[in-house]
Amino acid sequence: DAMVIQNPRYQVTQFGKPVTLSCSQTLNHNVMYWYQQKSSQAPKLLFHYYDKDFNNEADTPDNFQSRRPNTSFCFLDIRSPGLGDAAMYLCATSRDSGALQYFGPGTRLTVT
Amino acid sequence: QKEVEQNSGPLSVPEGAIASLNCTYSDRGSQSFFWYRQYSGKSPELIMSIYSNGDKEDGRFTAQLNKASQYVSLLIRDSQPSDSATYLCAVDRGNNDMRFGAGTRLTVKP
Repeated sequence: DAMVIQNPRYQVTQFGKPVTLSCSQTLNHNVMYWYQQKSSQAPKLLFHYYDKDFNNEADTPDNFQSRRPNTSFCFLDIRSPGLGDAAMYLCATSRDSGALQYFGPGTRLTVT
Repeated sequence: QKEVEQNSGPLSVPEGAIASLNCTYSDRGSQSFFWYRQYSGKSPELIMSIYSNGDKEDGRFTAQLNKASQYVSLLIRDSQPSDSATYLCAVDRGNNDMRFGAGTRLTVKP
């Protein structure tokens, strides 16, 4: 019955080795978001898709990219992970702008 | 000034007491306000949403909004140990621009 699914739940990657995190949803929501959350900090919005329209936050590093091949799936690509990119990555969806956001379980990324 | 500010806590209350969590925000044009609960190592879980001034009650939870003061609060009545978590205040500034506070850590002692 999971509505927002993230894979993997835990990811370990090496410094500089590209990594892709996956998010899928069964809610048929228009909007999908990626957040980065470091320990004891607020979730920080990286970017979001409204349908196929991509919206990047101004301060999101170029190292972070995203793809949304269809309504159900959204990917977060980190091209060259640094130690500072270790965090929990949260995917969320909402039916429309301003609507409630529902979060997936998150992917905990460790960079060695 | 942070966009969404919360007292980081920890806030400690005895079981059965009322826990009061506060949040202020900077963008006066914000229209939608949310409270999320986050257990350690887990993702945020939506508890309440509020869109207009006043109080909104849902079970043991009451959200309060005062747009003139740019202030949102969450009251938890009859607090239980299972309520121990970090509570995140979130403010939607429009155009899918959601800003979160860093959260208040609540501990309910049996």
